[in-house]
Amino acid sequence: DVKVTQSSRYLVKRTGEKVFLECVQDMDHENMFWYRQDPGLGLRLIYFSYDVKMKEKGDIPEGYSVSREKKERFSLILESASTNQTSMYLCASSLIASGSDEQYFGPGTRLTVT
Amino acid sequence: AQSVTQLDSQVPVFEEAPVELRCNYSSSVSVYLFWYVQYPNQGLQLLLKYLSGSTLVKGINGFEAEFNKSQTSFHLRKPSVHISDTAEYFCAVEELGFQKLVFGTGTRLLVSP
Repeated sequence: DVKVTQSSRYLVKRTGEKVFLECVQDMDHENMFWYRQDPGLGLRLIYFSYDVKMKEKGDIPEGYSVSREKKERFSLILESASTNQTSMYLCASSLIASGSDEQYFGPGTRLTVT
Repeated sequence: AQSVTQLDSQVPVFEEAPVELRCNYSSSVSVYLFWYVQYPNQGLQLLLKYLSGSTLVKGINGFEAEFNKSQTSFHLRKPSVHISDTAEYFCAVEELGFQKLVFGTGTRLLVSP
């Protein structure tokens, strides 16, 4: 079974802090994704990566950056956390670039910025 | 650009009753269509997907969905729900040639005894 793990289930940070959210997948998947999930808004894509050191902006990249130094690991970085970044963050991976492939999701990190 | 509309934010239903969760999309090109489910405190998992071929797609846990191109819909159905089906359901669309899914806002299915 594919396993996507995220470093924390719950995280509380202060405004202005630099925040790292880590995601690791164990199935040699090419693509990795970061979403944020908010009530009434569904999932919105922040960034995705289709190869090591490659990244593409999603629909809401402002205030975020990403890093993919190894194939299995995709990090989301909040350079200076703000209260409007309080949300649930979901990481996902998929095997190939084709959209027909299923995305496998991690359990999520609920981030609270105070 | 594509978009996905899930008109019902919440659907309450009694156990063993049938249910339909509605999904409409807009796109000017061919699409792939997906339904994902999120159980409480978990990530999303794929229920079913439509890529091509038969417009009636069967998924896990007794769910099925029908692709209707003329109405640009992909409604999810189950003939008899269980308490364990209580979850949030997300419809998603991807335009062919792109690698990004666009999700709807989700429908919370609440099954009561």
